[in-house]
Amino acid sequence: KAGVTQTPRYLIKTRGQQVTLSCSPISGHRSVSWYQQTPGQGLQFLFEYFSETQRNKGNFPGRFSGRQFSNSRSEMNVSTLELGDSALYLCASSATGLSNYGYTFGSGTRLTVV
Amino acid sequence: DQQVKQNSPSLSVQEGRISILNCDYTNSMFDYFLWYKKYPAEGPTFLISISSIKDKNEDGRFTVFLNKSAKHLSLHIVPSQPGDSAVYFCAASLRASYGKLTFGQGTILTVHP
Repeated sequence: KAGVTQTPRYLIKTRGQQVTLSCSPISGHRSVSWYQQTPGQGLQFLFEYFSETQRNKGNFPGRFSGRQFSNSRSEMNVSTLELGDSALYLCASSATGLSNYGYTFGSGTRLTVV
Repeated sequence: DQQVKQNSPSLSVQEGRISILNCDYTNSMFDYFLWYKKYPAEGPTFLISISSIKDKNEDGRFTVFLNKSAKHLSLHIVPSQPGDSAVYFCAASLRASYGKLTFGQGTILTVHP
């Protein structure tokens, strides 16, 4: 079966711009989580969506937002980009959003802010 | 405050030998622990997990041990193979914390032929 698909794979943006990243979960999975990976901070949780509702949120500024559509596809948006937002953004899908059911990660979107 | 720590940035072992990757945590409320493997330019791939009510879980060449009193878990790979060379992350979750895993910084494992 198809895995988690993230688009685009690579993105270069300028400071101050905004960006939208997309994640298509595994068919039948209703939970989508987003993570940011940087060399300094490692993998950090951004937020989780289930059936179009945000159920959990990490410690990121309000410039980071997300949404989920009725087909479970999710997007995350970063407004007013800063150099420090350069990172690999990963999404993970799950049937329930609970860890004992496992999370499957996509290959990520590499965002570079210049 | 880093609640999950992997103190060894890298580990090098010979093919056929045992690889032991370690992870420490500070939050005693964590109730589920997972290990992921990551290759460059790919997302993390799930390896094995363990519930806090257990102290050992095996899956083929991979065994995870949990010592709750020491707040320590370890991943044993026996025998190690060159294809195991990757970055290994341990992660922990709280009960009913939807979608949120707290990750360690990762350990780069290199298995030499």
